[in-house]
Amino acid sequence: EIVLTQSPGTLSLSPGERATLSCRASQSVSSNYLAWYQQKPGQAPRLLIYYTSHRATGNPDRFSGSGSGTDFTLSISRLEPEDFAVYYCQQYDSSPWTFGQGTKVEIK
Amino acid sequence: QVQLQESGPGLVKPSETLSLTCSVSGGSVSSASYLWGWIRQPPGKGLEWIGHIYYSGRTSYNPSLKSRVTMSLDTSKDQFSLRVTSVTAADTAIYYCARVVAGYELMPFDNWGQGTLVTVSS
Repeated sequence: EIVLTQSPGTLSLSPGERATLSCRASQSVSSNYLAWYQQKPGQAPRLLIYYTSHRATGNPDRFSGSGSGTDFTLSISRLEPEDFAVYYCQQYDSSPWTFGQGTKVEIK
Repeated sequence: QVQLQESGPGLVKPSETLSLTCSVSGGSVSSASYLWGWIRQPPGKGLEWIGHIYYSGRTSYNPSLKSRVTMSLDTSKDQFSLRVTSVTAADTAIYYCARVVAGYELMPFDNWGQGTLVTVSS
């Protein structure tokens, strides 16, 4: 099973700042099948990024994904008020599909 | 635009079976373009993939739950279902159904239901 470790656990930033979230895999995600989700309180997760760097339909271009192998990153170029939420990475390269434990982006 | 909606009991007794159904509107569960999955989230905690089912009925389950989980399709109603047997308090969670796009580039969980809280308690 591929274990995903996200860091930091909490990121305290101000609107307009850049956010960089990390997701490290215990073994290579060789197909680059790595996704990122945003979850707000009381809501289902929303797919932001799939296949490491492809933005899902309807998501603003301030969200971008990068990485390969075991190290992946979600970047938010300039935080908007609606971006403060919990973010999860997920690998769907091998079964069982697994999620990271989440990074909370909070208002500083 | 596809919409998914979970339904089922919100309270299940320990040792009994949890049964949920996901109704799909604006799409077909018999389409070869999609997989249909279940994910759960214990209150205040992270996400866990339970498994998914293909249009053909073939399934893939999380080994941590495999002995207790069954998924099925009802193509006549555009629904898919989840059963988890012998539940304990550890199965208390929000259960989500979601769609996977099985295209050239696999796109996981692009559409989700709103989720339904299932509590295991006597």
